[in-house]
Amino acid sequence: GESVGLHLPTLSVQEGDNSIINCAYSNSASDYFIWYKQESGKGPQFIIDIRSNMDKRQGQRVTVLLNKTVKHLSLQIAATQPGDSAVYFCAENGVNDYKLSFGAGTTVTVRA
Amino acid sequence: DAGVIQSPRHEVTEMGQEVTLRCKPISGHNSLFWYRQTMMRGLELLIYFNNNVPIDDSGMPEDRFSAKMPNASFSTLKIQPSEPRDSAVYFCASSFLGDTEAFFGQGTRLTVV
Repeated sequence: GESVGLHLPTLSVQEGDNSIINCAYSNSASDYFIWYKQESGKGPQFIIDIRSNMDKRQGQRVTVLLNKTVKHLSLQIAATQPGDSAVYFCAENGVNDYKLSFGAGTTVTVRA
Repeated sequence: DAGVIQSPRHEVTEMGQEVTLRCKPISGHNSLFWYRQTMMRGLELLIYFNNNVPIDDSGMPEDRFSAKMPNASFSTLKIQPSEPRDSAVYFCASSFLGDTEAFFGQGTRLTVV
């Protein structure tokens, strides 16, 4: 069936280094993609989004890349900080579709 | 705005009891979602409301689960009777439009013993 999934369940990063979190999706009709960050005991927090008519979008310290050819989404975090330690989820839905499908999540741990 | 507000934050109940979870969406948002999060299944959409009307409840596990949205500022998710397998974190989220980013509440951690 169609699904959204993550390549790696965990990522350990040295403080100050850049982080790259990957996500594969299988629904070719997906139109809208979101990255969420979830800290322990909290709800998912919106980080950045991108629509299918774009291949790159930048925010503060974060960049999302979308490769529709291979159905791949990535989140890049520049100069990773201890506060970036969390579980990161990619989510997607189709055109006029409200059903966000979430991936399994990648746990990012920042080493001091 | 204080964001999406859920209550209670934690709920421990005995099997067979009724449980009611509450949610206040962000003012001005017209879409509301109830999600359940477990280690095994991750984040699952239970039900979606648009303009207070339930649009899709196909994610509701079974008849023991019901959700209401009597007005734009309040929604409930009820489980009756509760079972141990209902133990999870339940999130409410709202968005301005159904196909834009959803803002999540802090969640209600439910434990059914």
